[in-house]
Amino acid sequence: ETGVTQSPTHLIKTRGQQVTLRCSSQSGHNTVSWYQQALGQGPQFIFQYYREEENGRGNFPPRFSGLQFPNYSSELNVNALELDDSALYLCASSPGAELSYNEQFFGPGTRLTVL
Amino acid sequence: AQSVTQLGSHVSVSEGALVLLRCNYSSSVPPYLFWYVQYPNQGLQLLLKYTSAATLVKGINGFEAEFKKSETSFHLTKPSAHMSDAAEYFCAAPIIQGAQKLVFGQGTRLTINP
Repeated sequence: ETGVTQSPTHLIKTRGQQVTLRCSSQSGHNTVSWYQQALGQGPQFIFQYYREEENGRGNFPPRFSGLQFPNYSSELNVNALELDDSALYLCASSPGAELSYNEQFFGPGTRLTVL
Repeated sequence: AQSVTQLGSHVSVSEGALVLLRCNYSSSVPPYLFWYVQYPNQGLQLLLKYTSAATLVKGINGFEAEFKKSETSFHLTKPSAHMSDAAEYFCAAPIIQGAQKLVFGQGTRLTINP
């Protein structure tokens, strides 16, 4: 069984550019959540997708957007990059949206650096 | 208000010594709590979770945590530290704000001294 994978591993962009990060969920999982982890901080919830629909959002501006595809893989798009967007972006998949009993499995993350 | 608070951003213990990582939660948090571990350059791995079944929860790699409602705490312990335990540890709770999301503490970096 393949776990959660993310691509690319590392990425360097400049301010104002746009970036797309990708996540392949674990087999059988229909829910994907995205988190931003700044250096030295805990992960912060960006949004969640459940069966191809956005199912909730954290305190992130609209330039953070996403998609979930029929195979439940997902993309995170960030427009107009800012220096503060530099972080590790984590994707987590789960077999359902109810997190009290559905374990989230995390990918290794994409390290984004904005110069 | 912060849902989960980890006391101590950095804990250092000797190999073989007791590991104690502290986590307190706010009363608004549902009775589900998690501990995750993050090794360098890796994603998060679930160590253990509390789901109201038993107050003492055993996890992987010899870790355990006790849910204490009277103290609003869910501290992580391991009787004897191993060098391989060096990592970042996060306490987390699911809260509902639109979607059900995990809210993480700030993390505690555990260093093991030989």
